[in-house]
Amino acid sequence: EVPLVESGGGLVQPGGSLKLSCAASGFSFRESPIYWVRQASGKGLEWVGHMKTGPHNFATSYAASVAGRFRISRDDSKNTAYLHMSSLKSDDTAVYFCAAPDGDYGDPDPFHFWGRGTLVSVSS
Amino acid sequence: SYVPTQPPSVSVAPGKTATITCGGDDIESQSVHWYQQKPGQAPVLVIYYDRNRPSGIPERFSGSNSGNTATLTISRVEAGDEADYFCLVWDGDFYLFGAGTKVTVL
Repeated sequence: EVPLVESGGGLVQPGGSLKLSCAASGFSFRESPIYWVRQASGKGLEWVGHMKTGPHNFATSYAASVAGRFRISRDDSKNTAYLHMSSLKSDDTAVYFCAAPDGDYGDPDPFHFWGRGTLVSVSS
Repeated sequence: SYVPTQPPSVSVAPGKTATITCGGDDIESQSVHWYQQKPGQAPVLVIYYDRNRPSGIPERFSGSNSGNTATLTISRVEAGDEADYFCLVWDGDFYLFGAGTKVTVL
C-alpha cells in the first residue's frame, strides 16, 4: 500500500493555476506535518513548502521560489493535503511529490513516506 | 542560508565501501537526513538525524556528522545501491537539499 498518492498534475499555461492533492493512508495523517517536494527533469530535489499539524496551528513555510504564489492546505477529516499553485512559470515544471514523517518530530522532519509524484508542465 | 555541497558522483566496486559527503559550514550543529533515489522512483529515507536507520534499511548504510561534513557510508556495496543520494538539512527557516551524488557500482 502506497502511503501517499498525489493527483491533479497536468499541462497548464504560464500564469495559470493548478491544485494538486495528496491522499494519505496507513498512518496517522493528522499527527504528521505534510511536505511538498519537486524535481525538474534530470535535476535534484527542491523543498517547496510544508504545513504543520493542528497543535502547531497548521503553520506553513515556503521556499522563496514559490512564496506568494503557492499555498498548502490540509483536510484532516479526509486525510488529504493540497498544493494550490498560481501564477505558474515554466520554471515550475517538475514532478511534485508529497512527503511526510511518521510522526511530528519537529524541524527538521525526516520524510519516511513519499508519494510517487505527479507531473506539472507549464507551457504555452 | 546555504546549499549543502555534495560531490556529483562516486564510483565504487561491488563489495567495497562508498562514502558520500555533504558539506556545509558547521554542519555538525544541524541534523542531516539522507535519501536514496533510483531512476523513475520516489526518494527513500535511508538515514535520519545524522545516523539513524529507518526500519527496512540494511545495516550496511550508516551516517555520521562532524565539523563541516556529514557522511553517508555504504558498506559492502551491492549493484542495487546504484542510485542518486541526497542530503537534506534545515537552516532554521528553509529545508535545503544537496545537489545529489550519483553512486555508480562498477
